[in-house]
Amino acid sequence: AQSVTQLDSQVPVFEEAPVELRCNYSSSVSVYLFWYVQYPNQGLQLLLKYLSGSTLVKGINGFEAEFNKSQTSFHLRKPSVHISDTAEYFCAVSVRTNAGKSTFGDGTTLTVKP
Amino acid sequence: NAGVTQTPKFRVLKTGQSMTLLCAQDMNHEYMYWYRQDPGMGLRLIHYSVGEGTTAKGEVPDGYNVSRLKKQNFLLGLESAAPSQTSVYFCASSSDRETGSTYEQYFGPGTRLTVT
Repeated sequence: AQSVTQLDSQVPVFEEAPVELRCNYSSSVSVYLFWYVQYPNQGLQLLLKYLSGSTLVKGINGFEAEFNKSQTSFHLRKPSVHISDTAEYFCAVSVRTNAGKSTFGDGTTLTVKP
Repeated sequence: NAGVTQTPKFRVLKTGQSMTLLCAQDMNHEYMYWYRQDPGMGLRLIHYSVGEGTTAKGEVPDGYNVSRLKKQNFLLGLESAAPSQTSVYFCASSSDRETGSTYEQYFGPGTRLTVT
């Protein structure tokens, strides 16, 4: 079975500052990794994904994440955040032979302050 | 494309009442899922389906039933609602391996259910 741990439940940051949201996972087989974003009163939407190949993946809205197999981590970063990035962020893991099911972390609330 | 749609958006039930939540997708996806989202607990899988006519239990199936009579629709039923089922319910879909899926999921806007 897979598991996901998001190490910070809340991350407050000032506008234009860099941010890192941390995600660790556990799995005995190869995985796909995802970050989703949820804006208030909306569903989740895909931010970026790691499938294979380059360990640095770029997503929408200037976000990027780095897959680190030795540390089983997939941290999300943005060099300069905007007020509009205020949202909840979910890390998720899926394995190739599991009917497409994903295991989600508990979420990190990113609050960008002016 | 509308993507994934859910009806209704909001609902208030009394304990013991029943209701059905409807999810529809227009992306020809094989896989569909029902989650519930509670504060601080992320998303928990209730039931899922790998194709028309098939359903399977997820992490928290008790008190819920599902049906997938048509590929594009996935229904979630509550036969006798309880206050513990107060939550936000999300439906999602994804394509299967044969179509080159990478298992990313597409989510609906959610249904906010309150059971009093």
